Amino acid sequence: NAGVTQTPKFRILKIGQSMTLQCTQDMNHNYMYWYRQDPGMGLKLIYYSVGAGITDKGEVPNGYNVSRSTTEDFPLRLELAAPSQTSVYFCASSPQGAGGIYEQYFGPGTRLTVT
Amino acid sequence: DAKTTQPTSMDCAEGRAANLPCNHSTISGNEYVYWYRQIHSQGPQYIIHGLKNNETNEMASLIITEDRKSSTLILPHATLRDTAVYYCIVRARNTGTASKLTFGTGTRLQVTL
Repeated sequence: NAGVTQTPKFRILKIGQSMTLQCTQDMNHNYMYWYRQDPGMGLKLIYYSVGAGITDKGEVPNGYNVSRSTTEDFPLRLELAAPSQTSVYFCASSPQGAGGIYEQYFGPGTRLTVT
Repeated sequence: DAKTTQPTSMDCAEGRAANLPCNHSTISGNEYVYWYRQIHSQGPQYIIHGLKNNETNEMASLIITEDRKSSTLILPHATLRDTAVYYCIVRARNTGTASKLTFGTGTRLQVTL
């Protein structure tokens, strides 16, 4: 299994441009998540999904959109990029374990700079 | 979810045990303690979790105090590859919604020769 894969690894955007961060997992996990991590800080949840066709907002959803058309893929869309969106973005997935206790598996991250 | 407090940084000599403390004095009865770590420039990695009993796996041991207000992650024989930021997270058992982890700033563990 490749686990959670993310593309691209790095990207530089100009203010106002748009882009989609790709995330794919091959573990058949129902739950998927998008986090951002600013320098020296912990991770903050942007959006999450409990299954195909179902998404919900996390702590910091403004400026982002997501979709979940398949179990495997959970792309994150940035519309009208702003310098405040400069960050490292991590995608994660988790199974639905017995009793609801389960760990999250993270991708390697996408480093985004908006100038 | 309960708030956690961790030291900002710690040092440990290679080969020695690394003991990373975490305070979670407002933890509720149905909340679990999770530990993740993040090696520089990589995604976070799950280490271990527990409710009230001590837990051990191939990576680490988790000691939770009887009152559950604090815990300690133990790496029994730290190596240079264990240098990372360690996050202690407290959250409730899944109730049908996604497991939303709240990461603080963690403890930066530096393992030295």
